[in-house]
Amino acid sequence: QQQVKQSPQSLIVQKGGISIINCAYENTAFDYFPWYQQFPGKGPALLIAIRPDVSEKKEGRFTISFNKSAKQFSLHIMDSQPGDSATYFCAASILGNQFYFGTGTSLTVIP
Amino acid sequence: DGGITQSPKYLFRKEGQNVTLSCEQNLNHDAMYWYRQDPGQGLRLIYYSQIVNDFQKGDIAEGYSVSREKKESFPLTVTSAQKNPTAFYLCASSNFGGGTNEQYFGPGTRLTVT
Repeated sequence: QQQVKQSPQSLIVQKGGISIINCAYENTAFDYFPWYQQFPGKGPALLIAIRPDVSEKKEGRFTISFNKSAKQFSLHIMDSQPGDSATYFCAASILGNQFYFGTGTSLTVIP
Repeated sequence: DGGITQSPKYLFRKEGQNVTLSCEQNLNHDAMYWYRQDPGQGLRLIYYSQIVNDFQKGDIAEGYSVSREKKESFPLTVTSAQKNPTAFYLCASSNFGGGTNEQYFGPGTRLTVT
């Protein structure tokens, strides 16, 4: 079964808007939650990551919000730009062992 | 220039042939991984290795084999037993322990079997 559930499958946002992608997990042993950005034909690139001892992490226009009690975490892209158009994956791991990935969200930012 | 290299970028094979995908890293990472990516299914783990001469099956290991003779190399063989081998294959590496679990990916190899 899917260890990490990601939604929505696709997202269309106007330039300057906020893109929000959500992920949920069940295994409370997960201790590392990264987000990856992937452009067509390329490998995923690590975007930002969080550990469960903090509720929010911000890097530039990208923010992870983490809700430990709800077992959910989300990626917020502020001031979304056409160059942000890509597929985004959330993931979770235990002690950096196996990584479990969501099914991906295809983001399109309209100029 | 540090990173993960995969070769070739595109690979074409006839059905029934084994094919080996290359993955090399110069990040001095202990762990290496192989994933398969299909549209709408995210990344699925094929095999991973945490140390030289040792590797573990992932969720979809059937029809695949790996070796880890050197720390920097983790080749994947797609055998003729793999029923649906056409896919985008991604290699990754990471260091675990020491407070960092970051996993980095190579550029991928797109395999087409006809």
